[in-house]
Order: sequence, then C-alpha cells, then structure tokens
Amino acid sequence: AQSVAQPEDQVNVAEGNPLTVKCTYSVSGNPYLFWYVQYPNRGLQFLLKYITGDNLVKGSYGFEAEFNKSQTSFHLKKPSALVSDSALYFCAVRDWGAAGNKLTFGGGTRVLVKP
Amino acid sequence: NAGVTQTPKFQVLKTGQSMTLQCAQDMNHNSMYWYRQDPGMGLRLIYYSASEGTTDKGEVPNGYNVSRLNKREFSLRLESAAPSQTSVYFCASSEFRPPNTEAFFGQGTRLTVV
Repeated sequence: AQSVAQPEDQVNVAEGNPLTVKCTYSVSGNPYLFWYVQYPNRGLQFLLKYITGDNLVKGSYGFEAEFNKSQTSFHLKKPSALVSDSALYFCAVRDWGAAGNKLTFGGGTRVLVKP
Repeated sequence: NAGVTQTPKFQVLKTGQSMTLQCAQDMNHNSMYWYRQDPGMGLRLIYYSASEGTTDKGEVPNGYNVSRLNKREFSLRLESAAPSQTSVYFCASSEFRPPNTEAFFGQGTRLTVV
C-alpha cells in the first residue's frame, strides 16, 4: 500500500530564513509526488509536482522540492521564508502501479513564519 | 472557470439523518475523489473514481457511499450520520494521465453531526 509520512507536525522559522518541510513516501511502483498548501478555512492549493526528469522541481511562490529516489524523499524548500507562507502544507503521492489512480496524502505540517 | 464546486458549504445533521454532499467539476477530468480532514489526521481518502463508471474504496469508506453520476459529478452520501463523521469534507478532481495530473480541490463542506 502506498503511504506518505510528514515527520514534523509543525515547523517554526524566522522570516528571511530558509524553510524546509520534510516528506517521505512509500509506493510499489513509480511515484508521482505533489505538494499542496492550505490556508485557514480554504481548500488545498497545488504548489508543485514531480513526475519525471530533473530531481529539483520549481513551483509557485518561490517554492521548490527535491526528489531523492534512494531516500524516498520529496522535501519542500524555500530559500527565504515570508510571514505569508504560514499555512498547512501537505505532501501527496500517486502510484501508477497496482494502486491505480489513488492519491494519498500525508498528515500535514503546519509552518509558522515569525517576523 | 469555476473548477471544483461543492455544496453545501456548511451542514448540521442530527445523528441518524442522511444527506448527500454534491461535487461537480468543469475541467473535464477523468478522476474524482472524496477526502475528509480531521485535526491531526491530515486528509484521508474516503472513496475515489478513477474514471466515469468506476468507484473504489479509500482508507475510510465505512458509513459512506458514492455515486459517479457522470463525468462531471461525484456525490458522497451519508446514510445514517454519526458524530464520528463530523469533519470537513473535500472533493477533488484530476486528469488520469501525466503530465497534468495534479488534483484540484473544492472549498470544502463543514459537517457537524450532533
């Protein structure tokens, strides 16, 4: 069965400092990986995805993520965090193998950027 | 372009009542999903439909049923609501094949069962 783990419930960072949100995954086939952000009382917004190709993926709002197949990780990064980046972040995986088109999410990581 | 539309946005039910949550997408996506979001639990998949005419159970299907009415619409039904079903429910849709395979979400339905 496919799964996603986000080991940190909350990440605190000062504005202007680098931000990293960790994600590891488990699939039987090839992973397609995604990051989403959720602001209070809103739906989820897509940030970026890894399908194939370059391991470093760039997305919206200055975010990027690095796919590491050997470590089965897909960590989200931003070089310089903003207070407005404070939100709930979700990692998700889709396995194009036996699991078909199921999209599985991690438990989420709350990011708090302090001025 | 409305994207994914869920109705209603809020609902309060009494234990044992039934209701249907509606979801429609206008992006011509093949796949649709229903998730519930509870504090500390992330998003858990209830049911999904890989394509029109098919539905499959997710992680937490008990107490729910779904109908893929057509390519646009995917409804979630609670036959006999229980307090444990108090949650925020999200519908999502996506294309089946890459590269444009990211999911798009509705704004959610906040359901309270008393």
